[in-house]
Amino acid sequence: AQTVTQSQPEMSVQEAETVTLSCTYDTSESNYYLFWYKQPPSRQMILVIRQEAYKQQNATENRFSVNFQKAAKSFSLKISDSQLGDTAMYFCAFMKRGFGNEKLTFGTGTRLTIIP
Amino acid sequence: NAGVTQTPKFRVLKTGQSMTLLCAQDMNHEYMYWYRQDPGMGLRLIHYSVGEGTTAKGEVPDGYNVSRLKKQNFLLGLESAAPSQTSVYFCASSRLRTGGQNEQYFGPGTRLTVT
Repeated sequence: AQTVTQSQPEMSVQEAETVTLSCTYDTSESNYYLFWYKQPPSRQMILVIRQEAYKQQNATENRFSVNFQKAAKSFSLKISDSQLGDTAMYFCAFMKRGFGNEKLTFGTGTRLTIIP
Repeated sequence: NAGVTQTPKFRVLKTGQSMTLLCAQDMNHEYMYWYRQDPGMGLRLIHYSVGEGTTAKGEVPDGYNVSRLKKQNFLLGLESAAPSQTSVYFCASSRLRTGGQNEQYFGPGTRLTVT
């Protein structure tokens, strides 16, 4: 079974600054996907970024990027030029690769507050 | 295109009552899921379905039943509600695509309180 650990329950940062959220995971699988989801106060779960474990290049989506360290089983999310709208819960999630393995395992989340 | 919708958005039940949560998606997705979200625990998978007429247990299935009679709908039932089932319930759906790069699209959630 897979486990996902987010060791930072809460973080806060000034607007326009950069913040990094940590995620580690444990798995015996070699092929998998990792995701970061954002949950704003509206409760809607929104996919922020995804990483394919067999790709060495770190994924980026505009102001969001990841630092994927496969050997260390680490998957951190960096938010650059943070904005007030980035205030939300952020969840790291794991999915095994392959047909029939589309179940997500979530971490416990990090509550991020952007301070004006 | 409404995406994933959930009915109802809020509900209060007394212990022992039953209810059904409805999830509907209009994206023609094959896969559908039910999660619960509790404080400090992230989202945990209750049941899921890989196609019409099929269901499977997730991580925390006890006390729940599901049905997928139509491809677009996935129902979550509580036969005898317990206070431990107080939670926020999320439905999600995803496309069947080999390779696993299947983004899950989530509904807005249902807040259920059992007293």
